[in-house]
Amino acid sequence: GESVGLHLPTLSVQEGDNSIINCAYSNSASDYFIWYKQESGKGPQFIIDIRSNMDKRQGQRVTVLLNKTVKHLSLQIAATQPGDSAVYFCAEIANFGNEKLTFGTGTRLTIIP
Amino acid sequence: DTAVSQTPKYLVTQMGNDKSIKCEQNLGHDTMYWYKQDSKKFLKIMFSYNNKELIINETVPNRFSPKSPDKAHLNLHINSLELGDSAVYFCASSQDMRQGGTDTQYFGPGTRLTVL
Repeated sequence: GESVGLHLPTLSVQEGDNSIINCAYSNSASDYFIWYKQESGKGPQFIIDIRSNMDKRQGQRVTVLLNKTVKHLSLQIAATQPGDSAVYFCAEIANFGNEKLTFGTGTRLTIIP
Repeated sequence: DTAVSQTPKYLVTQMGNDKSIKCEQNLGHDTMYWYKQDSKKFLKIMFSYNNKELIINETVPNRFSPKSPDKAHLNLHINSLELGDSAVYFCASSQDMRQGGTDTQYFGPGTRLTVL
């Protein structure tokens, strides 16, 4: 069935270094992917999205890469800061306009000062 | 300005009680959602409403009844609460791409429900 999974449940990175969070998905028909950041005690916050007709998208300090061949998604955070510490989720919408988001299990990113 | 708001933020209640959680969005979106996040942080969709109509119902027990009085509000009523209902419940909203939006879902701050 459809699933969105993450390779690593936890990740610790030195402040100032770059972080890479990975995500695997199984539905080759998925056409929209989103990365969310969830800080403690808060709701998931949209970071960046990408559609299946793209393989890279950049935001402010964040880049999402999509490899449809191996059904892999990654989030790169440049020059990590303490405020980047959170749980990061990838999510997919399997069918355009379906609006049903399927979330991965989440990766906890800890920034070491 | 709060885009998606939920009340209450915390809810502690006894097993068997009936409780409601309220959600409001001021983004002008026409689709709203309820998600449940368990103790392992796993987020799973429960319901989705588009313009007050139910469009997604993910095999949630019928003790859970969403109600959308208008497209800016989606409330969740839970009857006969059970221990397993303890979780954080998130409301979200989005604007359908077919209506000029981006499908991106914006989440509320969550309601932590504890059933004793």
